[in-house]
Amino acid sequence: QQPVQSPQAVILREGEDAVINCSSSKALYSVHWYRQKHGEAPVFLMILLKGGEQKGHEKISASFNEKKQQSSLYLTASQLSYSGTYFCGAKFLNYGGSQGNLIFGKGTKLSVKP
Amino acid sequence: NAGVMQNPRHLVRRRGQEARLRCSPMKGHSHVYWYRQLPEEGLKFMVYLQKENIIDESGMPKERFSAEFPKEGPSILRIQQVVRGDSAAYFCASSLGTDNSPLHFGNGTRLTVT
Repeated sequence: QQPVQSPQAVILREGEDAVINCSSSKALYSVHWYRQKHGEAPVFLMILLKGGEQKGHEKISASFNEKKQQSSLYLTASQLSYSGTYFCGAKFLNYGGSQGNLIFGKGTKLSVKP
Repeated sequence: NAGVMQNPRHLVRRRGQEARLRCSPMKGHSHVYWYRQLPEEGLKFMVYLQKENIIDESGMPKERFSAEFPKEGPSILRIQQVVRGDSAAYFCASSLGTDNSPLHFGNGTRLTVT
């Protein structure tokens, strides 16, 4: 039931854009996005709830397509500080509510070069 | 406002010894999650607890591993008779427990079994 992230790794030049996808074979209740830099704790970026919505956080935004059971994270005009591993976390639908625990994908490693 | 506090940051144990990892959640948070992370890998869910209750321990090995979150004091992840394969970073996260509340991670405990 682990969500599947793609791609596994991305290399960008500063200013370029990237999209990271997170899909599930099980019905999603919500999707969380986190970024982890090497040797540090994961840091929360945003949550998207079922119902299909889009959120933004500076030049990082995300969408949740309930029909496809997929979320996408959009990074525009990337900066060096965006480098790190991005994880999506899934809470699954259970009897109309969420199951509670958060299951993470394997991560997408993003490297932004000058 | 202190974040999630984990200690120790680094723990070295010989094979066969016990490891005790502590996690104090953010103030006001009553939900705690434990994750394990191997180098260059994702966050593997272990256990989800509320005060005095284990909500989901489906990710935790049945033997040698246990977790608790008492009414007073930190959450403890206990690994008995450690083996080399237990070497990893163990992250604790806390949340308010509502469906749209994010997880806040501690800095992790790096366990090395020699």
